[in-house]
Amino acid sequence: DVKVTQSSRYLVKRTGEKVFLECVQDMDHENMFWYRQDPGLGLRLIYFSYDVKMKEKGDIPEGYSVSREKKERFSLILESASTNQTSMYLCASSSQRGAGANVLTFGAGSRLTVL
Amino acid sequence: SQQGEEDPQALSIQEGENATMNCSYKTSINNLQWYRQNSGRGLVHLILIRSNEREKHSGRLRVTLDTSKKSSSLLITASRAADTASYFCATGVRYGGSQGNLIFGKGTKLSVKP
Repeated sequence: DVKVTQSSRYLVKRTGEKVFLECVQDMDHENMFWYRQDPGLGLRLIYFSYDVKMKEKGDIPEGYSVSREKKERFSLILESASTNQTSMYLCASSSQRGAGANVLTFGAGSRLTVL
Repeated sequence: SQQGEEDPQALSIQEGENATMNCSYKTSINNLQWYRQNSGRGLVHLILIRSNEREKHSGRLRVTLDTSKKSSSLLITASRAADTASYFCATGVRYGGSQGNLIFGKGTKLSVKP
């Protein structure tokens, strides 16, 4: 069964801490994405990557960075967590080719609370 | 930048009834997709319709696309309690040179009562 796996379902961190959210996919997908989801705001794109070591900013990149050293892994980094980054974080991946091109497969989500 | 807007925001129906959700978008698209999200979980892809298609079926799902009105609808026939979830439309747009990105609406929360 193909999967996108997010390392943590629930995290609680303190303001100012550095936070790593890890995402791994086993589908050999080229594209990987990080979204955050907040009530009333829907899903907003933070960063995406369409190749190893490549990254592009989405709609709300401020306060975040990403790393893609290997094709299957895409990490979201909060350098100094703040309370307004309390949210559900969703990782997704997609292929660039074939019948399933641009169809996203999502992970189960990581709910981050920053105190 | 919000592309799709679903309507209604919330919908409550009885089991066996049909559920219709609408999506409007603003710019030209390559395709439009519908996703479902159970509470507290990730999204699951339901169906994709390309910009040159007008209607598509998958099981109890029927999707229509009207590019002249920049709108789409998702119909779930003979709904079941297990269909209770949030439903999102997403449009495929070009972003920074890549075609792989989707812009999501805020979703319709469907509640199907047994």
